[in-house]
Amino acid sequence: AQSVTQPDIHITVSEGASLELRCNYSYGATPYLFWYVQSPGQGLQLLLKYFSGDTLVQGIKGFEAEFKRSQSSFNLRKPSVHWSDAAEYFCAVGPRGGFKTIFGAGTRLFVKA
Amino acid sequence: GAGVSQSPSNKVTEKGKDVELRCDPISGHTALYWYRQSLGQGLEFLIYFQGNSAPDKSGLPSDRFSAERTGGSVSTLTIQRTQQEDSAVYLCASSLYTPVGSGSIGTDTQYFGPGTRLTVL
Repeated sequence: AQSVTQPDIHITVSEGASLELRCNYSYGATPYLFWYVQSPGQGLQLLLKYFSGDTLVQGIKGFEAEFKRSQSSFNLRKPSVHWSDAAEYFCAVGPRGGFKTIFGAGTRLFVKA
Repeated sequence: GAGVSQSPSNKVTEKGKDVELRCDPISGHTALYWYRQSLGQGLEFLIYFQGNSAPDKSGLPSDRFSAERTGGSVSTLTIQRTQQEDSAVYLCASSLYTPVGSGSIGTDTQYFGPGTRLTVL
């Protein structure tokens, strides 16, 4: 079955510390991969996406993610977290040539001063 | 340019009533999606439109849910005889779509609206 797992329901990091949010997927073929962020009261915003090519993808707001086929993972990273990064983060997978995107349950990020 | 808009932003209704939720996609986006986000949950795919057609309705939770899209633009999601378990945020997204083949990717990045928060009392 197709699925996306975000093992951490919530994570707390100190401002300025590094961040890694985990995402694992189960899919029949290499999918398209996405990370979205949802700030309080806001809609979902795309941070980055992987379609093909370089497995290290750069996104907005200083985020990056690395696609590791052997581990079926697409972890999101940021070297130095800012208080404004506090939000909920969703990993998603979508089929090549298709449309049905599957979202993980999300990881809520808390940033402490 | 304008993003995806949804109305109403909030809807409170009584159990058993019908509700209609509206989505205005980004102009020129042929693909439109509806999702449901329950408290503390991820996004649950409901239905997808390519133009006015819905190739996949498998995500609709029951026959009380229906959706239509007219003119390749505005879409409405209708929930009949609402139940308390229908309470959630309903999100709409739109994207460009290019036919698969010739190196095209098919579906593209989805742009989300702010959602409609539905509360069924």
